[in-house]
Amino acid sequence: EAQVTQNPRYLITVTGKKLTVTCSQNMNHEYMSWYRQDPGLGLRQIYYSMNVEVTDKGDVPEGYKVSRKEKRNFPLILESPSPNQTSLYFCASSIFLTSGIGSEQFFGPGTRLTVL
Amino acid sequence: TQLLEQSPQFLSIQEGENLTVYCNSSSVFSSLQWYRQEPGEGPVLLVTVVTGGEVKKLKRLTFQFGDARKDSSLHITAAQPGDTGLYLCAVLYNTDKLIFGTGTRLQVFP
Repeated sequence: EAQVTQNPRYLITVTGKKLTVTCSQNMNHEYMSWYRQDPGLGLRQIYYSMNVEVTDKGDVPEGYKVSRKEKRNFPLILESPSPNQTSLYFCASSIFLTSGIGSEQFFGPGTRLTVL
Repeated sequence: TQLLEQSPQFLSIQEGENLTVYCNSSSVFSSLQWYRQEPGEGPVLLVTVVTGGEVKKLKRLTFQFGDARKDSSLHITAAQPGDTGLYLCAVLYNTDKLIFGTGTRLQVFP
C-alpha cells in the first residue's frame, strides 16, 4: 500500500530534550516536506527537500533541522524543543513537477507534539 | 500577511444545504489545489485546477479557478455529514514551495 508513515503519532516531552520525528514514504517520491498545523494559522511549511541531500527552508524553519540521506526518509529533528513548538506535525511527499504545476501531496497521519 | 485567504473561516449548516467557500490571493498562480482534511488525518487532495476559468466537478463538489488565476471557489450542492472537514486551498510558490490557506472548517449536521 502506498503510504507515508510518521512516528511517533503522539509525543509529550519537556523543554530542551532533543527529539526526532521520523517520516518514511514508499512511493519513490523526490519531494518531501514537513508542515506544522496550528489553529487559525493553517498548514505552514517547515522544511522541504527536492531530492537526496537537497533541503531548503520553508516558512517557519527556526528551531528545526532535517536531513535527507535516503530518498524514502525525511526525519524532523528538534534539537532543543520549546513550548511554542507544541503543534500537530505532518510529513508529506510527492513527485516533483518541473512544469510549475503542483503535484498531489500525500500526507502522513500526523504527529501531535506537546512540549511542557 | 497570508498569501492565500480563505473564507469563511467556519461554516455550520444543515444537511441538504448548498454552500460556497472561497480562496483568494492578490498573486497569480499557475495552478491551485483543494484538499480536505478530516479529524485525526492528514489532508487529501480533491482537485488541481490549472487553466483560468476552469471548472471541475467531483460528484456534488464544483471547483472553479478564477479567470485571472488569482482565486478559486468550491461549491458543495446538497451537503451531507460526510462532507464535514477542513477544506484547504494550496498553491505552488516559486516553483518549489507549497503554500496553504488558513482553511474553512465545515460542519454539516444531520
